[in-house]
Amino acid sequence: QKEVEQDPGPLSVPEGAIVSLNCTYSNSAFQYFMWYRQYSRKGPELLMYTYSSGNKEDGRFTAQVDKSSKYISLFIRDSQPSDSATYLCAMEGGAGTALIFGKGTTLSVSS
Amino acid sequence: EPEVTQTPSHQVTQMGQEVILRCVPISNHLYFYWYRQILGQKVEFLVSFYNNEISEKSEIFDDQFSVERPDGSNFTLKIRSTKLEDSAMYFCASSERGRGETQYFGPGTRLLVL
Repeated sequence: QKEVEQDPGPLSVPEGAIVSLNCTYSNSAFQYFMWYRQYSRKGPELLMYTYSSGNKEDGRFTAQVDKSSKYISLFIRDSQPSDSATYLCAMEGGAGTALIFGKGTTLSVSS
Repeated sequence: EPEVTQTPSHQVTQMGQEVILRCVPISNHLYFYWYRQILGQKVEFLVSFYNNEISEKSEIFDDQFSVERPDGSNFTLKIRSTKLEDSAMYFCASSERGRGETQYFGPGTRLLVL
């Protein structure tokens, strides 16, 4: 079983839609959960960071972590064409500090 | 805003050649990382470095790879004898402290091995 699973999409939505992105994981030792945004041929850029279970909101973005289900989500409200990118979930908390990434979901928001 | 920088942005090399990828982490950060992303695949951890030594490495980071902090600002990844399968985007990252700290990524070096 892969450590972090993420549906690669692609996901296409119209401008203004609510987007839901998800990852599941198998390692119960993970404690730190991140969402990175990656534009084509660029480095990952941190969007949201959550420790343990719960919700975190930042502007149009909300991150949710459900450790009991080993499931994390990122919601984007009022999506914009500039949100078109690949969204990577990442986790940490195993034996070291290495981030374990999902494969990324490619999102396209059309105007 | 401080950022991680990487040079070169692109590198083309012949199989069997040595390459050195360079990174300048954020200045007050103490932990440094290399990750790679083969086209269409996940970002994969290679190695972490703290206090002038490797603190963690993955199975990918075999004897062909080495890292060094040659001075107070640079952090390098050397691949001794490149293989075709080393073609990938290599990302450097740094964090202020270790566990639980945000890792900031550089723009990457695209390595193509012919």
